[in-house]
Amino acid sequence: DAGVIQSPRHEVTEMGQEVTLRCKPISGHDYLFWYRQTMMRGLELLIYFNNNVPIDDSGMPEDRFSAKMPNASFSTLKIQPSEPRDSAVYFCASSPMGSGGETQYFGPGTRLLVL
Amino acid sequence: GNSVTQMEGPVTLSEEAFLTINCTYTATGYPSLFWYVQYPGEGLQLLLKATKADDKGSNKGFEATYRKETTSFHLEKGSVQVSDSAVYFCALSDRMDSSYKLIFGSGTRLLVRP
Repeated sequence: DAGVIQSPRHEVTEMGQEVTLRCKPISGHDYLFWYRQTMMRGLELLIYFNNNVPIDDSGMPEDRFSAKMPNASFSTLKIQPSEPRDSAVYFCASSPMGSGGETQYFGPGTRLLVL
Repeated sequence: GNSVTQMEGPVTLSEEAFLTINCTYTATGYPSLFWYVQYPGEGLQLLLKATKADDKGSNKGFEATYRKETTSFHLEKGSVQVSDSAVYFCALSDRMDSSYKLIFGSGTRLLVRP
């Protein structure tokens, strides 16, 4: 069974450009989480969805960040415009309903570098 | 509010040494507690969990006991291997808070030398 799939694995872009990160959760999982990991701030929850509906986006740093989940098998995290301080590893995770969102399965991450 | 505090790393050990990584928590309700592990270049993986006081979670030789009286969930392993080198995250999920968030500690890097 495939795990959480993220693309791209690496992204290098210039300040001001739009960046779109993609995630395919594990089939049958009802929760989807987006995290950001940096050396300075550690692992931060940005937003999470339940059954494709955004439940808590209080971790989204500012209006430049947006996330969507148009269906159960796909989610995007978009940064527009990007800034150097957005450089980080972005993780997507999914969780089955039975675990109450507690047992999360992480993707390999997207390493973003904004120049 | 809810929070998790881990010992700062890195922790450097020789192979076959005993490992302890300390974790304490603050929670307003009745949390479940977790240890996640992140190997280099990968996402986090669930290592073990415990859902109520005095429960012991175990996996791959690692153990942690949910101690409500000391609000702790320390990770232990009797004999570490080079392949255990990774970053270990303690986390909690407070079931009184229905937001289904995991609150992670800052992570502790473990380096095991041959």
